Amino acid sequence: QKEVEQNSGPLSVPEGAIASLNCTYSDRGSQSFFWYRQYSGKSPELIMSIYSNGDKEDGRFTAQLNKASQYVSLLIRDSQPSDSATYLCAVYNNNDMRFGAGTRLTVKP
Amino acid sequence: NAGVMQNPRHLVRRRGQEARLRCSPMKGHSHVYWYRQLPEEGLKFMVYLQKENIIDESGMPKERFSAEFPKEGPSILRIQQVVRGDSAAYFCASSTGTGGGEKLFFGSGTQLSVL
Repeated sequence: QKEVEQNSGPLSVPEGAIASLNCTYSDRGSQSFFWYRQYSGKSPELIMSIYSNGDKEDGRFTAQLNKASQYVSLLIRDSQPSDSATYLCAVYNNNDMRFGAGTRLTVKP
Repeated sequence: NAGVMQNPRHLVRRRGQEARLRCSPMKGHSHVYWYRQLPEEGLKFMVYLQKENIIDESGMPKERFSAEFPKEGPSILRIQQVVRGDSAAYFCASSTGTGGGEKLFFGSGTQLSVL
């Protein structure tokens, strides 16, 4: 069984703080890793992808991957109330894309 | 450039009826995934299709559920003899299917309500 685990939250941070979202996965053969953001009642939207160990930065977002530990994370710097959403970790291997249950983030003004 | 189109947005069915959910992938995309989502839960994989082929249906119940992606036309997720437990949001996503990492683009979803 290929598992993708996330803390369900809710994770609450004050505006301007760093939000840290974590994800672990069980399939060692996983090749690609993604973070999706889903606002309530809306469809998921891709915000970050990462394929190799290390950090990848895009604006206020940084994805971190450690394949040895089977761990991927998302950092959101200078969190804004508009970042309040559920963040879904997704792991891809050989035509198979699996999602975690998501972490609900609330950024308080 | 139209995105992934799903219809209907909302579908109400009575127990025992059939539900047909449609998904037209983005232009140039030949791979379609279907996911189901219950309130406050993540996306549960159901089925992965390419044109005229079911690649992986391991997440789809063996009974009452079927999916297709014909050469022409949208992908269809069909649920026969619906029950209340089928009520959920059903999302379709498409991709180009190129190797080295899939980026999925999602439709707006179909909210199925079974009375």
